[in-house]
Amino acid sequence: EPEVTQTPSHQVTQMGQEVILRCVPISNHLYFYWYRQILGQKVEFLVSFYNNEISEKSEIFDDQFSVERPDGSNFTLKIRSTKLEDSAMYFCASNSRLQETQYFGPGTRLLVL
Amino acid sequence: RKEVEQDPGPFNVPEGATVAFNCTYSNSASQSFFWYRQDCRKEPKLLMSVYSSGNEDGRFTAQLNRASQYISLLIRDSKLSDSATYLCVVNIGFDTGKLIFGQGTTLQVKP
Repeated sequence: EPEVTQTPSHQVTQMGQEVILRCVPISNHLYFYWYRQILGQKVEFLVSFYNNEISEKSEIFDDQFSVERPDGSNFTLKIRSTKLEDSAMYFCASNSRLQETQYFGPGTRLLVL
Repeated sequence: RKEVEQDPGPFNVPEGATVAFNCTYSNSASQSFFWYRQDCRKEPKLLMSVYSSGNEDGRFTAQLNRASQYISLLIRDSKLSDSATYLCVVNIGFDTGKLIFGQGTTLQVKP
């Protein structure tokens, strides 16, 4: 069964450093998403992406965040200058139609020190 | 009012019990509705989509009441493996697919 994959599974970084989280969505999917979950809190929407453009972003997704689909398979989330409060689990998701099930990757656990 | 609201629990039930979870949502323009399951420190996994007509998948039954903006999940004959957090999820992005998650309801099934 096809699945969304994410790398790395864990990332530890120093405050102020740049991180890039990588995702490979399911191959025939067209819509891509990033969500995050701070420990003990609910899953929060960050951004949706379609046709090489951001279609919606949340208030969390400020100028420090960017997304890119650099080739036909990868979908990346970059945080330019990490803050302590960026520590969270970051999930990538994808689907083939907007209102259908989104399939989530296993997540990248980011710890900012 | 929270966008998606759930009782966090925990619900502690014996094996074989029937348990019901409820969820309310605030955005009347919400497009589609789901129950996801999340195990500790893992990704959300789809349990089932929720339709106005109600739908059943084995021991699981989901119901949507659009007029009351209310979603329910019924689990019959609980198994130990049902222990997890159940997430009520609403798609409010008509052309963006944005999902709003409830905080989740924790279920612990005991032998």
